[in-house]
Amino acid sequence: EDKVVQSPLSLVVHEGDTVTLNCSYEVTNFRSLLWYKQEKKAPTFLFMLTSSGIEKKSGRLSSILDKKELSSILNITATQTGDSAIYLCAVINFGNEKLTFGTGTRLTIIP
Amino acid sequence: NAGVTQTPKFRVLKTGQSMTLLCAQDMNHEYMYWYRQDPGMGLRLIHYSVGEGTTAKGEVPDGYNVSRLKKQNFLLGLESAAPSQTSVYFCASSYDGGAGETYEQYFGPGTRLTVT
Repeated sequence: EDKVVQSPLSLVVHEGDTVTLNCSYEVTNFRSLLWYKQEKKAPTFLFMLTSSGIEKKSGRLSSILDKKELSSILNITATQTGDSAIYLCAVINFGNEKLTFGTGTRLTIIP
Repeated sequence: NAGVTQTPKFRVLKTGQSMTLLCAQDMNHEYMYWYRQDPGMGLRLIHYSVGEGTTAKGEVPDGYNVSRLKKQNFLLGLESAAPSQTSVYFCASSYDGGAGETYEQYFGPGTRLTVT
């Protein structure tokens, strides 16, 4: 059974801090790993990672995949209160149209 | 371009009642999905569809049925609601990249369902 584990489950930091969120996976035929941000409503797409070692960056957010360690990290620098959300990690297999999600990390930024 | 829309936004049902949740997408996506989200459980796949007229079971399909009669719509039915089906339901859709490859999923705003 495919499995995605995120850590920590929750994190509280002060505005301006840098945070690192972790995602590890055990899947049968890995193709890609995706990160989503979920505020009050629908998850919104952040990154899709397919190749190991290549960093994807969007503003203060960045992510990298390590296929040897079966894991990914999501970094957020100079955090702002608007970064408060649940961050979800998901993986997709080759030949499989389904995403398997982790339970998420709840990030709270204190002003 | 509305993306993925869901109706209704909220619903309260009594045990044993039935209802249908509607999902619509205007992005011409082949794949559509229904998830439920419960505290501490993440998003769990109920059913999904890889094209008009096709459906398949996900991780937690029991107690739900689905239909995809038109490409842009994906319906989720609860025939006899139970309190265990109290949850937030999300619909999603994604593009078919060919050769069985899909890309990121776009999510609707969710339906909060309470079964008493």
